[in-house]
Amino acid sequence: DIQMTQSPSTLSASVGDRVTITCRASQSISSWLAWYQQKPGKAPKLLIYKASSLESGVPSRFSGSGSGTEFTLTISSLQPDDFATYYCQQYNSLFTFGPGTKVDIK
Amino acid sequence: QVQLVESGGGLVKPGGSLRLSCAASGFTFSDYYMSWIRQAPGKGLEWVSYISSSGSTIYYADSVKGRFTISRDNAKNSLYLQMNSLRAEDTAVYYCARDKIAAQGTMDVWGKGTTVTVSS
Repeated sequence: DIQMTQSPSTLSASVGDRVTITCRASQSISSWLAWYQQKPGKAPKLLIYKASSLESGVPSRFSGSGSGTEFTLTISSLQPDDFATYYCQQYNSLFTFGPGTKVDIK
Repeated sequence: QVQLVESGGGLVKPGGSLRLSCAASGFTFSDYYMSWIRQAPGKGLEWVSYISSSGSTIYYADSVKGRFTISRDNAKNSLYLQMNSLRAEDTAVYYCARDKIAAQGTMDVWGKGTTVTVSS
């Protein structure tokens, strides 16, 4: 089974900050990685697929990069609507979600 | 508009059974692979099961294999999850999600979820 880790688990930031979240896979998953945003009491929302492809309708301040075992999600300028929990998900071999990174207000 | 609506959740005793449903609308359901994903209270997301558009290919997480059965009825635009031998650790919000055609394996449409509580 492929295991996913994320760092940090919690990130405190201010509006306007550049934010980077890292996701690592226990083995190579090529570029088969997605990122989701989830707000309390809501369903997750797809942000990025195939490591760096932006889902339609998602603001361009979100970007993804990486391949193999190490990936990053970057928010170029954090907005009030971006305070949420972010999950990575591999789909190279079935599906595994990372444990999540909570982005909260500093 | 594109929509998924789950139903069937509730309180059930350990060892009991429950059948979840997911009604799809606003898209051609029979074209899409579908998944069930769950989230225990205060925890992260856990993929549960996946079914191909025709229903011929099915996968399960090890944690539910042999206890849960995924199925679909394309004529009724519906996805199901039959859950047997329920355990306390199955307590969660259960989401159904649509597989993104252009990126199979990612979930681009999610329902709002239905809550399953397993407790005596």
